[in-house]
Amino acid sequence: DAGVTQSPTHLIKTRGQQVTLRCSPKSGHDTVSWYQQALGQGPQFIFQYYEEEERQRGNFPDRFSGHQFPNYSSELNVNALLLGDSALYLCASSFGPNQPQHFGDGTRLSIL
Amino acid sequence: AQSVTQPDIHITVSEGASLELRCNYSYGATPYLFWYVQSPGQGLQLLLKYFSGDTLVQGIKGFEAEFKRSQSSFNLRKPSVHWSDAAEYFCAVGTGNQFYFGTGTSLTVIP
Repeated sequence: DAGVTQSPTHLIKTRGQQVTLRCSPKSGHDTVSWYQQALGQGPQFIFQYYEEEERQRGNFPDRFSGHQFPNYSSELNVNALLLGDSALYLCASSFGPNQPQHFGDGTRLSIL
Repeated sequence: AQSVTQPDIHITVSEGASLELRCNYSYGATPYLFWYVQSPGQGLQLLLKYFSGDTLVQGIKGFEAEFKRSQSSFNLRKPSVHWSDAAEYFCAVGTGNQFYFGTGTSLTVIP
């Protein structure tokens, strides 16, 4: 039973570029949440997708956008990258919006 | 506003000693509470959760946590720590569709 899988594992971009991160939820899960974890910090909630719609959003600018596909997989897009966007981006899935979340190993994004 | 506080940034314990990691939350209603563990370079693994009912919950790897409404706390405990428990521990509150995480407690285990 595959858990939450994220790709790529590492990514290096330069300021101003755009990036797309991908997430496949755990089998049977229909809800995907995205988090940003800066070095030495706890994860910060970006947004949650359920039934292909953004259900809740944290305090992140519109440069951060997402999508959920009919198979429940999800993408996180970040435009106009800033140095401060360097972080570990975690995807978490659950069966329903307010249930225990299972996390992937994350995508390490470095902005030069 | 909802928030989670983990007062201890770093804790060092000897192998075999007992452990308690503190977590305090701020939330207007009865929260869903969670503890996660993160090893270096890894994602977060769920240790245990509290939704309702018995305030003492058991988790994986011999961990337990106690919900105390009067103190707005959800402290994590383990009676005997193993070297493999060295990791970062995060307390989280689930409210509606959003999880709020604390800043984490780093655990070092001395042989």
